Amino acid sequence: QKEVEQNSGPLSVPEGAIASLNCTYSDRGSQSFFWYRQYSGKSPELIMFIYSNGDKEDGRFTAQLNKASQYVSLLIRDSQPSDSATYLCAAYSGSARQLTFGSGTQLTVLP
Amino acid sequence: GAGVSQSPSNKVTEKGKDVELRCDPISGHTALYWYRQSLGQGLEFLIYFQGNSAPDKSGLPSDRFSAERTGGSVSTLTIQRTQQEDSAVYLCASSLEVEDGYTFGSGTRLTVV
Repeated sequence: QKEVEQNSGPLSVPEGAIASLNCTYSDRGSQSFFWYRQYSGKSPELIMFIYSNGDKEDGRFTAQLNKASQYVSLLIRDSQPSDSATYLCAAYSGSARQLTFGSGTQLTVLP
Repeated sequence: GAGVSQSPSNKVTEKGKDVELRCDPISGHTALYWYRQSLGQGLEFLIYFQGNSAPDKSGLPSDRFSAERTGGSVSTLTIQRTQQEDSAVYLCASSLEVEDGYTFGSGTRLTVV
């Protein structure tokens, strides 16, 4: 069974620190990877996607992909209390024609 | 439309009644997905539509659940003879190309009493 695994947390970091969220996947055929942010009581919102090995930066967010090790990570620099949410990792494999989601990591940024 | 629209936003129904949940995807998006999310849980895949292809119904939990998509656009998820365990948020998502990720609607919160 193709899986995406995340540490459920909760992960707490102080305001201004770097939050590091990790995700591993089992399907080596996975081609693209996504990070969604879900605030409590809201629907998931796509914040980052990455296709190629290495880093991809967008503002305070950096997605990292290592296909050889089958892991994806999301770094949030200068964390803010407004970043407190559940972060969902997802992988796309052409054979599945849908995204496979992890169960999410709950992040709390403490003021 | 500008985003994925779901209605109603909240639905309270009595056990045993049928309910219909509606999803209007982003215009031009050919792929449409339904997920369920119980309180504090992850996303549970239900069903996937892609263009005119036969839907992938592999995630539907029982034959009480069905969905259709008319004209390649609006989709309706129907739950017959609702049970208390059907209480959850039902999320719809659409995409132009699935490898570019989904856009989710705001969901329908279903409560079966």
